[in-house]
Amino acid sequence: DAMVIQNPRYQVTQFGKPVTLSCSQTLNHNVMYWYQQKSSQAPKLLFHYYDKDFNNEADTPDNFQSRRPNTSFCFLDIRSPGLGDAAMYLCATSSDAKAGETQYFGPGTRLLVL
Amino acid sequence: GDSVTQMEGPVTLSEEAFLTINCTYTATGYPSLFWYVQYPGEGLQLLLKATKADDKGSNKGFEATYRKETTSFHLEKGSVQVSDSAVYFCAFTGNTPLVFGKGTRLSVIA
Repeated sequence: DAMVIQNPRYQVTQFGKPVTLSCSQTLNHNVMYWYQQKSSQAPKLLFHYYDKDFNNEADTPDNFQSRRPNTSFCFLDIRSPGLGDAAMYLCATSSDAKAGETQYFGPGTRLLVL
Repeated sequence: GDSVTQMEGPVTLSEEAFLTINCTYTATGYPSLFWYVQYPGEGLQLLLKATKADDKGSNKGFEATYRKETTSFHLEKGSVQVSDSAVYFCAFTGNTPLVFGKGTRLSVIA
């Protein structure tokens, strides 16, 4: 089945220690998104790639970076995680970025910062 | 700014009860509207969507109608099941990427 895969499902890191979360897709979609979801809050878009074009949300901290080496993979790098970065990180894809386009989500990676 | 307001949860219902989860939005232009569902331990899944005024989205017995005059997209189901227990998110896209509400947790008890 075509899908969006996120690994690992749970990630523990130490305060200030860089961490990378990964996302892959078999849908061959052009657009990949990263969201941060804190407990009992709405998912918040951090950035997205349209093909190789990177689009950062204005309020995404510099601590968060992303890489998309090819169509299938996208990575979220947190350079120096703080306690406030503990959250669920959701990856999503869509075939286009037009209004009305459905986004397909992975299961998420829950990040714990010690 | 653009935002979605949906009813606070948690909502607890008995099996076969009628469900309504209210959702209103603030957006410029003519957004497309969505309901996503998140089952325990899983990612978000599209439940239904509507792309223009008066459209009705439906799936798995759930329905929602795009009401431009009231900027609403309320989710309804006539008879809920235990398997419907999940968190439901209202969302829209328009001039901005997908904007979500905070989610409403639904628990259905047998």
